[in-house]
Amino acid sequence: GAGVSQSPRYKVAKRGQDVALRCDPISGHVSLFWYQQALGQGPEFLTYFQNEAQLDKSGLPSDRFFAERPEGSVSTLKIQRTQQEDSAVYLCASSFPGVAGVETQYFGPGTRLLVL
Amino acid sequence: AQTVTQSQPEMSVQEAETVTLSCTYDTSESDYYLFWYKQPPSRQMILVIRQEAYKQQNATENRFSVNFQKAAKSFSLKISDSQLGDAAMYFCAYRTSGGGADGLTFGKGTHLIIQP
Repeated sequence: GAGVSQSPRYKVAKRGQDVALRCDPISGHVSLFWYQQALGQGPEFLTYFQNEAQLDKSGLPSDRFFAERPEGSVSTLKIQRTQQEDSAVYLCASSFPGVAGVETQYFGPGTRLLVL
Repeated sequence: AQTVTQSQPEMSVQEAETVTLSCTYDTSESDYYLFWYKQPPSRQMILVIRQEAYKQQNATENRFSVNFQKAAKSFSLKISDSQLGDAAMYFCAYRTSGGGADGLTFGKGTHLIIQP
């Protein structure tokens, strides 16, 4: 398919475990975003990559969260020592610079993380 | 920091009728972009419509149109001839016009129910 894909779609973790969430952006998309969506809420921005460079990580809630995109394509969001408050849907989006600078973000289906 | 407010947690409309979803935002910037995204139960976020703040003309995409009131910082979405497939969560989102890509700021969403 040509869309953004994420894996796994569902993840159950015990409190304290580390998890890794994967995002495959649309081929050729320069920009990649991670969002966290708690139940009944809108998505909240976590971090942004342009190619392999992480240009903004202001939304990461703690130092247990980090993201990487080493080759400028696939990205991984890692959460160490998971806590119950980390339970949420994690959305990935990608975009390509537009002529007018308005870049439409295309979203993946998300990974639903449940921490017990 | 910018904020986006959707004051209607849930709206219901009869099939084939028109419904308007409200969105207000707060920003000190003069140039920015506004979006409406649809999130069906499958959870993949889909762009419905977007508006550049510097454009006075309201954006329209088939049955979807916006009423953009810049002075009032209001950005409502009108759905005409509602269809069962329009049932979803609708999120209003804001993006700064700064150079490069930036994360979106979302509202909490409006759950739209279509009554057959």
